[in-house]
Amino acid sequence: DGGITQSPKYLFRKEGQNVTLSCEQNLNHDAMYWYRQDPGQGLRLIYYSQIVNDFQKGDIAEGYSVSREKKESFPLTVTSAQKNPTAFYLCASSTAGDIYSNQPQHFGDGTRLSIL
Amino acid sequence: DQQVKQNSPSLSVQEGRISILNCDYTNSMFDYFLWYKKYPAEGPTFLISISSIKDKNEDGRFTVFLNKSAKHLSLHIVPSQPGDSAVYFCAASDATGNQFYFGTGTSLTVIP
Repeated sequence: DGGITQSPKYLFRKEGQNVTLSCEQNLNHDAMYWYRQDPGQGLRLIYYSQIVNDFQKGDIAEGYSVSREKKESFPLTVTSAQKNPTAFYLCASSTAGDIYSNQPQHFGDGTRLSIL
Repeated sequence: DQQVKQNSPSLSVQEGRISILNCDYTNSMFDYFLWYKKYPAEGPTFLISISSIKDKNEDGRFTVFLNKSAKHLSLHIVPSQPGDSAVYFCAASDATGNQFYFGTGTSLTVIP
C-alpha cells in the first residue's frame, strides 16, 4: 500500500531538547514538504525538497532543520532554537512539478508535538 | 500575511443541499489551486484542483470555480452527504509549484 508514514503520532519534548520527526514515503515522489499547523491558522511551509540532497527553506524555517539523504525519507528536526514548537506537523510529497504539470500533494497523518 | 484566506471557519448544510465553500487569494502569480479535505486525526487528502487557464473543473459531486479577476475560488458539493463533514482547505501555488499556500480551513457539517 503506497503512502506517507509519519511517526510517532504523538511526541513530547522537554524544553531545550532537539527532537526529530520521521517522514517516509513509498510513492516514488521526488518532492517532499514539511508543514506546521496551529489552531486557527492554515498550513505553513517549514522546508521542502525537490530532489535528494537538496532542500529549501519555507516561510517559517527558523528553529528547524531537515535532511534528504534518501528519496524516501525527509526527517524534520525541531531544535531548541524553535521558541514555540508545540504544534501539529504534517509531511507531504508530490511528483516533481514543473510549469506545465502541477501536481497535488499527498499528506501523512501528522505528528502532534507537545512541550513538557 | 495570509495569501490564501478562508473567511468562514464553519458551515452547516442539510443533507442533499448544496455546500459552497469559499476561498480568496491575494497573489496574482498563483496559477494552480487545490482543495483538500481533512478528517480528524488524519492528514489532508487531495480533492480537486484547477489551473488558471480554466474557470471550472468538475469531478462527480465536486465542482471548483475560479474567478481570476476577483481572486476567488469556490468549491461546490452537490448533493451534500453526511460523509462530507470534514475540514476543507484551499491551497494555491505559482507556476513553479515549489510552494503551496494554504487557507485556514472551513469546517463543514452536513446534517442528516
